[in-house]
Amino acid sequence: AQSVTQPDIHITVSEGASLELRCNYSYGATPYLFWYVQSPGQGLQLLLKYFSGDTLVQGIKGFEAEFKRSQSSFNLRKPSVHWSDAAEYFCAVGEFGGGFKTIFGAGTRLFVKA
Amino acid sequence: DTAVSQTPKYLVTQMGNDKSIKCEQNLGHDTMYWYKQDSKKFLKIMFSYNNKELIINETVPNRFSPKSPDKAHLNLHINSLELGDSAVYFCASSQDGRGAETQYFGPGTRLLVL
Repeated sequence: AQSVTQPDIHITVSEGASLELRCNYSYGATPYLFWYVQSPGQGLQLLLKYFSGDTLVQGIKGFEAEFKRSQSSFNLRKPSVHWSDAAEYFCAVGEFGGGFKTIFGAGTRLFVKA
Repeated sequence: DTAVSQTPKYLVTQMGNDKSIKCEQNLGHDTMYWYKQDSKKFLKIMFSYNNKELIINETVPNRFSPKSPDKAHLNLHINSLELGDSAVYFCASSQDGRGAETQYFGPGTRLLVL
């Protein structure tokens, strides 16, 4: 079975600083990979996804992620963080098994300080 | 217009009771899902339905019974509620459930079992 590891439970960055959230997955073939964001008290919103093609994926809100097969990673980046980016971020991997199933990591909570 | 809506938003009940959570999507999607998010923010799929047919059932206790009267609705009925059922339950939908498509999440139902 596939799994997703987000090594950082929480991260604090200053507003305007760059951000990188780490994600590692385990899967034999080319995976379907996603990043979702969850603002406090809200549902999840898709930031970006990867399943083939260019390994650098652009998403909404200025986020991007890079798929690195050699490192089994799909790290999320943003060059300049805004206070409104404070939220919980989930990396996820998809697998087929009867239907398409999304496996989520444990999440990384982002705090932004002024 | 809300894409994926859930009712109620909050639900507080006693152990042993039976309760239902309703979900509706107005996106014209064929596939709907139920996820459970525990107190540590860990998000796990419970069920998925495609065109009213059960596709994924992730070893959820049979006290949980999903029902899809039509492809725009997926309700979750829980019998004999237990303390461990306290969580946030998210409904989601996607176009056809076949691959790397965007899932749209509802705002969640916060269930507290006393």
